[in-house]
Amino acid sequence: NAGVMQNPRHLVRRRGQEARLRCSPMKGHSHVYWYRQLPEEGLKFMVYLQKENIIDESGMPKERFSAEFPKEGPSILRIQQVVRGDSAAYFCASSPQAGLAGETDTQYFGPGTRLTVL
Amino acid sequence: KQEVTQIPAALSVPEGENLVLNCSFTDSAIYNLQWFRQDPGKGLTSLLLIQSSQREQTSGRLNASLDKSSGRSTLYIAASQPGDSATYLCAPRTGAGKSTFGDGTTLTVKP
Repeated sequence: NAGVMQNPRHLVRRRGQEARLRCSPMKGHSHVYWYRQLPEEGLKFMVYLQKENIIDESGMPKERFSAEFPKEGPSILRIQQVVRGDSAAYFCASSPQAGLAGETDTQYFGPGTRLTVL
Repeated sequence: KQEVTQIPAALSVPEGENLVLNCSFTDSAIYNLQWFRQDPGKGLTSLLLIQSSQREQTSGRLNASLDKSSGRSTLYIAASQPGDSATYLCAPRTGAGKSTFGDGTTLTVKP
């Protein structure tokens, strides 16, 4: 069973361009989470999705950022009109369940996409 | 809003020592708590997951405890090795599904 896949691993964009980050969860996992790690900072939650639904986007900036997890295909985190402050490592995690009491639902993390905005 | 504090921020020990990493969180209404390690420039590796109903979990030289009512968890590493050098992250998880991460403890084990 392959782990969580993220691509690209490294992405360089100029200010004003769009960045698309992809995450393929582990087989059988229907819950996806995106986190951002700014340089020298901890991981911060951005968004939690199930297939075709955004469950919690409280950590995602209201402008320029969007996320989706379609019925088929990977989850996509999209950043429009990138700025230098968007430079960070973006991690995706997946789990089979959402943390309901009594369920074992380890979050498995992908290797991350390191976005550099020039 | 959940806040997670990890103490110490950094720790340097000689090989072979037993050590304890501390994690405290403000919202005790969690479903589970997960400990991860992160190597420089890499992703996160899950070490242990403790359900809210459990008091501890063990895996090899690692033992994690959870005191949900007081908002504390500890990660105990026995007989530390240079390969244990990494940043250790504590992440309690709420029913909404998201995890809140501490800033981590950066461990250096010297040969």
